[in-house]
Amino acid sequence: SQKIEQNSEALNIQEGKTATLTCNYTNYSPAYLQWYRQDPGRGPVFLLLIRENEKEKRKERLKVTFDTTLKQSLFHITASQPADSATYLCALGDHNTDKLIFGTGTRLQVFP
Amino acid sequence: SQTIHQWPATLVQPVGSPLSLECTVEGTSNPNLYWYRQAAGRGLQLLFYSVGIGQISSEVPQNLSASRPQDRQFILSSKKLLLSDSGFYLCAWSVPLPGTVNTEAFFGQGTRLTVV
Repeated sequence: SQKIEQNSEALNIQEGKTATLTCNYTNYSPAYLQWYRQDPGRGPVFLLLIRENEKEKRKERLKVTFDTTLKQSLFHITASQPADSATYLCALGDHNTDKLIFGTGTRLQVFP
Repeated sequence: SQTIHQWPATLVQPVGSPLSLECTVEGTSNPNLYWYRQAAGRGLQLLFYSVGIGQISSEVPQNLSASRPQDRQFILSSKKLLLSDSGFYLCAWSVPLPGTVNTEAFFGQGTRLTVV
């Protein structure tokens, strides 16, 4: 069956360190992968999109990698800040449809 | 600029009652529209998506239905709510660019539904 898995346990890191979140998928051949941030009680907010033929994408302190062989994406936040504390979701886009399927999300807590 | 409106923000409904959640988008044409449900502490479950008026794809067989009577209006309904229908419902839109992948999805503020 198709699965998109993110670490369900919260990730706790110290301010200034790099946070790395993982998104693994099985039985998918995504055309692209997206990362979103969600704060409690709010809808997700788009952060980055990476296509299947791209290895890495950067935006300010954010970096996303996409390995279609490993079926994995890594999401990095460098120089993390307490304001980065939130739940981060990955989402896969299909080749043939307009579906957007989300992972379970990982909660990140950055402490001073 | 584009905006998405979703209402109500919170809703408490008794078991067996009907449901109607509405979502409208402004500032764009022919968007893809989505309904998701999020259980507490969980990820987003895709319920329905639509690529055009009257075109609805259902992802999970359940007690809910969706309709798209107008280009920028998406409605989630139920004839009889179950306790398990409780959750955080999110509407979203995106615009596929010709010849390329779907763009990012923009979400509404969500509806917190509690079935009692």
